[in-house]
Amino acid sequence: AQSVSQHNHHVILSEAASLELGCNYSYGGTVNLFWYVQYPGQHLQLLLKYFSGDPLVKGIKGFEAEFIKSKFSFNLRKPSVQWSDTAEYFCAVKNGGGNKLTFGTGTQLKVEL
Amino acid sequence: NAGVTQTPKFQVLKTGQSMTLQCAQDMNHEYMSWYRQDPGMGLRLIHYSVGAGITDQGEVPNGYNVSRSTTEDFPLRLLSAAPSQTSVYFCASSPSGTESYEQYFGPGTRLTVT
Repeated sequence: AQSVSQHNHHVILSEAASLELGCNYSYGGTVNLFWYVQYPGQHLQLLLKYFSGDPLVKGIKGFEAEFIKSKFSFNLRKPSVQWSDTAEYFCAVKNGGGNKLTFGTGTQLKVEL
Repeated sequence: NAGVTQTPKFQVLKTGQSMTLQCAQDMNHEYMSWYRQDPGMGLRLIHYSVGAGITDQGEVPNGYNVSRSTTEDFPLRLLSAAPSQTSVYFCASSPSGTESYEQYFGPGTRLTVT
């Protein structure tokens, strides 16, 4: 079965620090990849997605992610985090037809002033 | 558009009670899904539907039923609540087609079973 690993469960950064959150998936075929964010008390929102083409994907709020097929990875990056980026971040993978997503366990990011 | 709406926002049940979590979307999306979110476990798929009249099981379907009589609505039924079903439940929808598989999530229902 498809699985998604997010190895960083809790990350604490100071404002202006750079961020990289890891995401690895297990499926070897064609995949669609997503990063979702959940701000405190809110529902999940899409940050960015990869379907095909340029493996470097840019999303909202200055986030980007790089798809590295050989490493089965889709790491999320941001050059300079802000306090408002405090949230939980989920990596998700879809393979095959339909709309079933497999989510990682999430990474809690806390940005300190 | 209201997007994906869920009711209630909060619910407390006693073990053995039944209830229905409501989910509706006004985007004419064919695909709808129910997930539960538990600390340290991310979101896990309970049931999903690819269109009216068609449903299927996800990763953790036991103890839950769904039906899809209309495109707009996708209720989740707990037949006999158990403490293990204490969780936050999210409904999601997405359009069909070959390009866009982004799922749009509702605000969630926080359920506590005592």
